Amino acid sequence: QKEVEQNSGPLSVPEGAIASLNCTYSDRGSQSFFWYRQYSGKSPELIMFIYSNGDKEDGRFTAQLNKASQYVSLLIRDSQPSDSATYLCAVEDSGGSNYKLTFGKGTLLTVNP
Amino acid sequence: KAGVTQTPRYLIKTRGQQVTLSCSPISGHRSVSWYQQTPGQGLQFLFEYFSETQRNKGNFPGRFSGRQFSNSRSEMNVSTLELGDSALYLCASSLEADEQYFGPGTRLTVT
Repeated sequence: QKEVEQNSGPLSVPEGAIASLNCTYSDRGSQSFFWYRQYSGKSPELIMFIYSNGDKEDGRFTAQLNKASQYVSLLIRDSQPSDSATYLCAVEDSGGSNYKLTFGKGTLLTVNP
Repeated sequence: KAGVTQTPRYLIKTRGQQVTLSCSPISGHRSVSWYQQTPGQGLQFLFEYFSETQRNKGNFPGRFSGRQFSNSRSEMNVSTLELGDSALYLCASSLEADEQYFGPGTRLTVT
């Protein structure tokens, strides 16, 4: 059973701070990693994807991937109250089970004004 | 470009009935994946279709089935509904099942 683990939170940060969200995965062969944001009562929204080791930046968001440690993270700089949501980490299965994403259960982020 | 659409948005059924949910992917996307989301289990993969072929299936009983049409629209069916089937059912479309974009979901309540 392939697993994706996230700290459920809640993670609480003040407005303007950096929020750091972490995710570990069990499938060593995974090549594709995704971060989704889900507001309460809404569907998940894709905000970042990363395929190579290292950092990938997009505006206030930075995704970091370390395949050797099977670890992927999302940094949100200058956090805003509108960033308050559940953040889901998703990992594409490798091998015979590809074309499938395994999701973590999400980290609830609260940004306090 | 229009996003993923799902119908109906809300549905109430009784135990033992069956239900069919529909998903229209983003124009040009040929892959459609279905997920079940519940508070306890999170997002769980049901199945994925590409060009009318099911390429992968999750660990759900045979009561859950799906299909995809030549225009890439997809349907999923749940027969003999159980109380535990109450959930948000999400479909996601992508070019190749990589970057997946979700629809608004269908909220199914089984009473």
